[in-house]
Amino acid sequence: AQKVTQAQTEISVVEKEDVTLDCVYETRDTTYYLFWYKQPPSGELVFLIRRNSFDEQNEISGRYSWNFQKSTSSFNFTITASQVVDSAVYFCALSEADKLVFGAGTILRVKS
Amino acid sequence: DAGVIQSPRHEVTEMGQEVTLRCKPISGHNSLFWYRQTMMRGLELLIYFNNNVPIDDSGMPEDRFSAKMPNASFSTLKIQPSEPRDSAVYFCASSEIPVPTDTQYFGPGTRLTVL
Repeated sequence: AQKVTQAQTEISVVEKEDVTLDCVYETRDTTYYLFWYKQPPSGELVFLIRRNSFDEQNEISGRYSWNFQKSTSSFNFTITASQVVDSAVYFCALSEADKLVFGAGTILRVKS
Repeated sequence: DAGVIQSPRHEVTEMGQEVTLRCKPISGHNSLFWYRQTMMRGLELLIYFNNNVPIDDSGMPEDRFSAKMPNASFSTLKIQPSEPRDSAVYFCASSEIPVPTDTQYFGPGTRLTVL
């Protein structure tokens, strides 16, 4: 069965610090997709990124970057120069052939 | 373009009452998903539809839960009778391509409280 582990339950940083959210996954398939979603205090789930298992290139989008390493089954998310508006719960998710499975989430608190 | 629309946003009801949650997926999307989020169990997939047909309902907790998708633009999740342990946030999501690996876009959720 597929599994997603986000070992960091909660992280607190001060504004402008860089922060990395860890995600480790387990799967037996060679073809799969990884996702990150953001859940701000307002409660909605916002899609951030989708990455397939054949594309190990790191991705950068503004202050966000993602590091995908198949060798360690990790798909980590870094926020550079964090801002208070980044405060949210961040979910990593894995999709194989049948369904999308979410990790437990990491609560990020950015203090001014 | 409008995103996924869910109604109501908040629902408070008493144990034993019937509850109906509604969802309108993004136009042109062919898959629709219902999730439940609780502190204890996180985000769980309840059921999903491809082209209006239920594909996997293994996540539906018990017979008190039922879901329908009568057409491509509307789905309901019904709980009858409701119980306090059903209190949760229920999300609807949709994706364009009918495979679970496609990106799912979520609605704002319905916060259900059963007293």
